[in-house]
Amino acid sequence: DQQVKQNSPSLSVQEGRISILNCDYTNSMFDYFLWYKKYPAEGPTFLISISSIKDKNEDGRFTVFLNKSAKHLSLHIVPSQPGDSAVYFCAAKDNAGNMLTFGGGTRLMVKP
Amino acid sequence: NAGVTQTPKFRVLKTGQSMTLLCAQDMNHEYMYWYRQDPGMGLRLIHYSVGEGTTAKGEVPDGYNVSRLKKQNFLLGLESAAPSQTSVYFCASSATSFHEQFFGPGTRLTVL
Repeated sequence: DQQVKQNSPSLSVQEGRISILNCDYTNSMFDYFLWYKKYPAEGPTFLISISSIKDKNEDGRFTVFLNKSAKHLSLHIVPSQPGDSAVYFCAAKDNAGNMLTFGGGTRLMVKP
Repeated sequence: NAGVTQTPKFRVLKTGQSMTLLCAQDMNHEYMYWYRQDPGMGLRLIHYSVGEGTTAKGEVPDGYNVSRLKKQNFLLGLESAAPSQTSVYFCASSATSFHEQFFGPGTRLTVL
């Protein structure tokens, strides 16, 4: 039973438009959420995070929104660039453990 | 500063063979992790370590063993490889459980 789900395996957007990647979770003990970006043949790299005490965190073109009541988070990329084309993983950590639980990933393709 | 490195990058094994994957980090991180990535499954934690000389089981530990004899190294062993262990393996490290994880480039393992 996947505790973190990314229901869209892929997403295609035009350069300059907004990309919205979604993530749902089931474990109410999760208190810290992260997004990682992965290019082919490379390891994931950290992108942005948010604590459960916040509902928004912004870093340049990247904004993460957290809706705790819906157990949903989203990553907004504005404006999208071709270099943003990658697989994006959301991950969650609970306050009791040392482990991250990852979603299955969403492949983003930004077309020039 | 190389970050997290993994050896080897690729390996092909026959069923029943054994091998060890080496992970090294030069960031003086306490925490180290081994993940496997399978299509549509995201990253799943195999084992992790919270410091030199310690190891703990993750989500999918069966068929794997680990050792952390030195702070900078984390070894993942397969005693008797099975085709189900065909995957891409990622090592990661972090300063604490509350900090972002830094990933290595991955090892692609095929078990025939």
